[in-house]
Amino acid sequence: DAGITQSPRHKVTETGTPVTLRCHQTENHRYMYWYRQDPGHGLRLIHYSYGVKDTDKGEVSDGYSVSRSKTEDFLLTLESATSSQTSVYFCAISESLSPRWGGYTFGSGTRLTVV
Amino acid sequence: SQQGEEDPQALSIQEGENATMNCSYKTSINNLQWYRQNSGRGLVHLILIRSNEREKHSGRLRVTLDTSKKSSSLLITASRAADTASYFCATLYSLNSGGSNYKLTFGKGTLLTVNP
Repeated sequence: DAGITQSPRHKVTETGTPVTLRCHQTENHRYMYWYRQDPGHGLRLIHYSYGVKDTDKGEVSDGYSVSRSKTEDFLLTLESATSSQTSVYFCAISESLSPRWGGYTFGSGTRLTVV
Repeated sequence: SQQGEEDPQALSIQEGENATMNCSYKTSINNLQWYRQNSGRGLVHLILIRSNEREKHSGRLRVTLDTSKKSSSLLITASRAADTASYFCATLYSLNSGGSNYKLTFGKGTLLTVNP
């Protein structure tokens, strides 16, 4: 299994401040994803990446940006945090050559609270 | 929305009984997957069934897929207290005609409680 590490695990931040969450994988998997999980909504895709510098928007991308300058790191930035972005954020990778052939591996999550 | 919908939202059974969870979705998919999430933890992939498959087994898990009804079911046999968790179905579909980019969308989950 690929090692996948999210940091920080918990963060409390103030409204209006920028926040960056990091997802790190120990192998060179191509596909990486950021989801948020909220009660009553399940998991919703924020952004995804299919290679270095190749990223695209998911269904709830407003207020978020991402960067992938190295294969192993996928960064999620909340440009100006709002209380509606209080959530648990999960990074996921596809360990298969194509997502068609295998499931995703999830990180342990980052619990973000915006006050 | 492409999101799958699980049914029931919550299920409580006794240890040793079987648990069945259902999932419905709206459009054509490449595959359907089931995940488990223990409280406060990340999701764990359980099983994947491709759109051209009808049934798949993995240990005590049995998944069926009916593409004509756009539905799937997850059966956990001989349940244990350790099976207590939320279970999510997720559907994978292609974002482009070239088939290089995909989106995995999740339902809201079924909370399974297995009582000792």
